[in-house]
Amino acid sequence: GAVVSQHPSWVICKSGTSVKIECRSLDFQATTMFWYRQFPKQSLMLMATSNEGSKATYEQGVEKDKFLINHASLTLSTLTVTSAHPEDSSFYICSVSQGAGGPNEQFFGPGTRLTVL
Amino acid sequence: GQNIDQPTEMTATEGAIVQINCTYQTSGFNGLFWYQQHAGEAPTFLSYNVLDGLEEKGRFSSFLSRSKGYSYLLLKELQMKDSASYLCAVRDGDYKLSFGAGTTVTVRA
Repeated sequence: GAVVSQHPSWVICKSGTSVKIECRSLDFQATTMFWYRQFPKQSLMLMATSNEGSKATYEQGVEKDKFLINHASLTLSTLTVTSAHPEDSSFYICSVSQGAGGPNEQFFGPGTRLTVL
Repeated sequence: GQNIDQPTEMTATEGAIVQINCTYQTSGFNGLFWYQQHAGEAPTFLSYNVLDGLEEKGRFSSFLSRSKGYSYLLLKELQMKDSASYLCAVRDGDYKLSFGAGTTVTVRA
């Protein structure tokens, strides 16, 4: 399966600052990556689909101007949380898929724990 | 929107069997997945079903009935390390994954 890394693994920031989270596909060229958010004791919620070389597709209710996604290469997608507030504190996880159909499951990165003070 | 339901918590004894049920209502269907997630970690893939029936993979088995919108994950010969959250996820007509809230399984000695 695909190996996915995220950096940083955790970050603490002050309210109003911006935070960038990197997601790398280490052994697979991913034209599509996914960004999820998980609040404590809740399930993963898809935020957006990151498309290499084009704009990300955001899920309903996710502010595209607040959560900036850039997928500049086939192995790197970044999520920038702009003007972060305490309610943005969450576990952010990216994933890659080796295909749309068949048993091509998504492989998840280790996640980034964001705490906004 | 998608609707995926699974129990919140289950407790079982080491060596026993536990069955986690999942019911779903989604816009289109392109497969059902089960993931295991330990606290603070990313989910790891356990199983995939797209046709009706049982898929067996070692101690873990997963069943699907598309007509009933129902799946279960069966964990046999439970071990302490199986204590985790188990997530049911359905891939919809747009090939997006929607997750249930997860079932926390606690294995007791």
